[in-house]
Amino acid sequence: KAGVTQTPRYLIKTRGQQVTLSCSPISGHRSVSWYQQTPGQGLQFLFEYFSETQRNKGNFPGRFSGRQFSNSRSEMNVSTLELGDSALYLCASTRTSGNTGELFFGEGSRLTVL
Amino acid sequence: AQSVTQLGSHVSVSEGALVLLRCNYSSSVPPYLFWYVQYPNQGLQLLLKYTTGATLVKGINGFEAEFKKSETSFHLTKPSAHMSDAAEYFCAVSLNTDKLIFGTGTRLQVFP
Repeated sequence: KAGVTQTPRYLIKTRGQQVTLSCSPISGHRSVSWYQQTPGQGLQFLFEYFSETQRNKGNFPGRFSGRQFSNSRSEMNVSTLELGDSALYLCASTRTSGNTGELFFGEGSRLTVL
Repeated sequence: AQSVTQLGSHVSVSEGALVLLRCNYSSSVPPYLFWYVQYPNQGLQLLLKYTTGATLVKGINGFEAEFKKSETSFHLTKPSAHMSDAAEYFCAVSLNTDKLIFGTGTRLQVFP
């Protein structure tokens, strides 16, 4: 059974650009969550999607957005990149919405903003 | 609001020694509690979780944790450290919502 797949694994952008990250959940999983991981702030929740609907959102500016497709694949977008957006972006999936179960994480997309 | 505090950003132990990683939570209602591990250049992997029932929870790789409501703690232990246990460990809390609140992590070093 394939795990959570995130692409690209590494990318470098410059300030002001935008970026789109992709996440393919484990087959059969309908909930996808996104987290930002930085050395200073740790793991911060971005948002969670279930059946193409955003069910919860963290405290990030509107430059951070996401969506989920009918096949449960998810994308997140960051517009007008800032230096502080440099981070490891982690995607996690689970079968149902609600965290009484296990989140399965991908290996992350490491974004560097110059 | 719920929150998680991990005491000690770095912990070092000798191989074969006891591992103790501390986690305290703040929650107005009984929470769900989790420990995750992150190896270098990898995502997070669930070690163990507490939802309801037995307060002593056993996880993978010989780790276990005990939910102590009176102390609002969920410390992670392993009787004998192995070199392969070197990683970063995250405690997390959830109130059956759609997000986990993570602690800031504890990096475990194991010396031979």
